[in-house]
Formats: sequence, structure tokens, C-alpha cells
Amino acid sequence: QQPVQSPQAVILREGEDAVINCSSSKALYSVHWYRQKHGEAPVFLMILLKGGEQKGHEKISASFNEKKQQSSLYLTASQLSYSGTYFCGTDYTGGGNKLTFGTGTQLKVEL
Amino acid sequence: DAGVIQSPRHEVTEMGQEVTLRCKPISGHNSLFWYRQTMMRGLELLIYFNNNVPIDDSGMPEDRFSAKMPNASFSTLKIQPSEPRDSAVYFCASSRGGTVNTDTQYFGPGTRLTVL
Repeated sequence: QQPVQSPQAVILREGEDAVINCSSSKALYSVHWYRQKHGEAPVFLMILLKGGEQKGHEKISASFNEKKQQSSLYLTASQLSYSGTYFCGTDYTGGGNKLTFGTGTQLKVEL
Repeated sequence: DAGVIQSPRHEVTEMGQEVTLRCKPISGHNSLFWYRQTMMRGLELLIYFNNNVPIDDSGMPEDRFSAKMPNASFSTLKIQPSEPRDSAVYFCASSRGGTVNTDTQYFGPGTRLTVL
């Protein structure tokens, strides 16, 4: 069952912040976040394991709320290079291999 | 260090023809994944292998699709006969296949398939 991402699309001015949510109706073992630029392959950002941990990667961080079966990706002080489509991949099996990707959130950062 | 290599990068074919997509995973990676990406359905897992053995092919759309991994450094995805609705970008990805903490999937550049 495909996780639901929100918002579907967002436009930011450079320097603004954004939050992208990934929600599942099934119990999650881990959530994997990827960014894909137009015409390119998805690129790994980070993995969140169940346990509610929060991770950071430069000015991009994420959290995993096990009770809500939801992960959120936080982009702070956005840069033009952050533009792209963000996908969450959810692991329902615990093995970490089989990911079900969300519908994607298109992010555009403008000057 | 070379990443995941896919060929061809672009393929245009006519309905009914056989199409073969190729993938070379990152050396030392034990898991290989085939995905299909379309605007309508997003990024879908078709099949994945662990140590050259198909583990889950539940995402393969129908019998027209088949995938093989004859050795640790090569995999193919074949569509026969191809149909216009197969038009999509097909990605191959590989991972170490260890614990979930290290199981980052690295994607290849993709093959853009157009079936006329």
C-alpha cells in the first residue's frame, strides 16, 4: 500500500523552510528519503528507523513518529539546489530491502 | 568508483517487439532492484534479487515481463512483446543487502523506454 505524501507540490523562496510528510496506514519498520532532480535518478538522503529517531543531513533533517506511522522531512533555509521531487520509501517488512515509494512531493526553490 | 550502470539510456521500439534492458550493479552489492517510473503510478518496484536469486517478483506486471540475474555483476529485464503502456523510465538500483542501516539503494541513470 503506497504511502501518502503531502503536500504534492510546494514553491519556496530561497531561504524559506518546508516540511514534507509521509504517512502510512500500515506499521513501518523504516522510512527512506530520496530526492530526484528532473531527468535524473533518485538520490538517497537518509534512513529513519522505527523508534522515533531524528536525523540530520546538512540543513535537511527528518523524524519518524512511530505512533502516527508518519515521517516528516524538514528543509531549512532552502537553497536553489534543493529543488526536485522528494520521495519517501517505506519498509513494511523489516528487511529494509523492499521499499514502497510514495507519490512524491515536487519542491521548487526560487530566488 | 563506478555507480550502477544501465544500458541503453534510451530505447524506442514498436509495439510487439522484444526489449531487453541491462544493468550492472555496484561491485560488492548483493541486492539488485528493478523499478518502473511513470507519471501515473510513480516509482514501482518490479522485482528484486538477493545474491542473484529473485526474492520478490510480485510487482512484475504480467508474463510479458521477465528478469534474470545470471551473476553478481549483471541483470536483465526483458519485455516481450512490448506494448505502448510499457513506456516508462526503468531504473535499476543496488544495495549491499546487509542490515537495514546499511541498505541504501543506489539508483542507476535509468532507461527511458518508448513503445510506439
